[in-house]
Amino acid sequence: AQRVTQPEKLLSVFKGAPVELKCNYSYSGSPELFWYVQYSRQRLQLLLRHISRESIKGFTADLNKGETSFHLKKPFAQEEDSAMYYCALETSGSRLTFGEGTQLTVNP
Amino acid sequence: GAVVSQHPSRVICKSGTSVKIECRSLDFQATTMFWYRQFPKQSLMLMATSNEGSKATYEQGVEKDKFLINHASLTLSTLTVTSAHPEDSSFYICSAIDLLRGLSFNGYTFGSGTRLTVV
Repeated sequence: AQRVTQPEKLLSVFKGAPVELKCNYSYSGSPELFWYVQYSRQRLQLLLRHISRESIKGFTADLNKGETSFHLKKPFAQEEDSAMYYCALETSGSRLTFGEGTQLTVNP
Repeated sequence: GAVVSQHPSRVICKSGTSVKIECRSLDFQATTMFWYRQFPKQSLMLMATSNEGSKATYEQGVEKDKFLINHASLTLSTLTVTSAHPEDSSFYICSAIDLLRGLSFNGYTFGSGTRLTVV
């Protein structure tokens, strides 16, 4: 069965420091992976998807099939990056399986 | 960009009554809608997938007679929690996608969620 694991429920960094949010997946098919962000009192928003290989708000994520990982990285964190981040895996029927989420706090 | 409107944002109902939650795609055709449930400090759990004009497909463990889903048009899906009980209290979120245009068009667009409290 498919599974998405985000090992860190809470992550705290200082402004300007690099940040990496970890995501590992388990899936027998070809993975389609996403990162979603939820700012305080707002709905889930797509941050990036691996198929587009974009960099959004300075964030990047590379799919590593060997390590079954899709870690989210940003070289210099900003206070406005504080939010809940979810890694998600698309499976059959276009369904999304979400990880538990990581609450990122960027301190001034 | 694509917008999904979900109503109501909060609802309190008495045990035994039914509650309907609406999810509308405002500027695109939602060929497929998904309904999720989220418990406090936990992730989103997919409850069911609905394709316009078809019966919903429920995930394992989700009671289809309790959580009635209707997707009669390309812009509207509803989730009705029937005979609600306190254990049904949760945050319900819908998501919509236009599969005819493919994932590259909009991807999944989420509603703002409905906080259901059953007393």
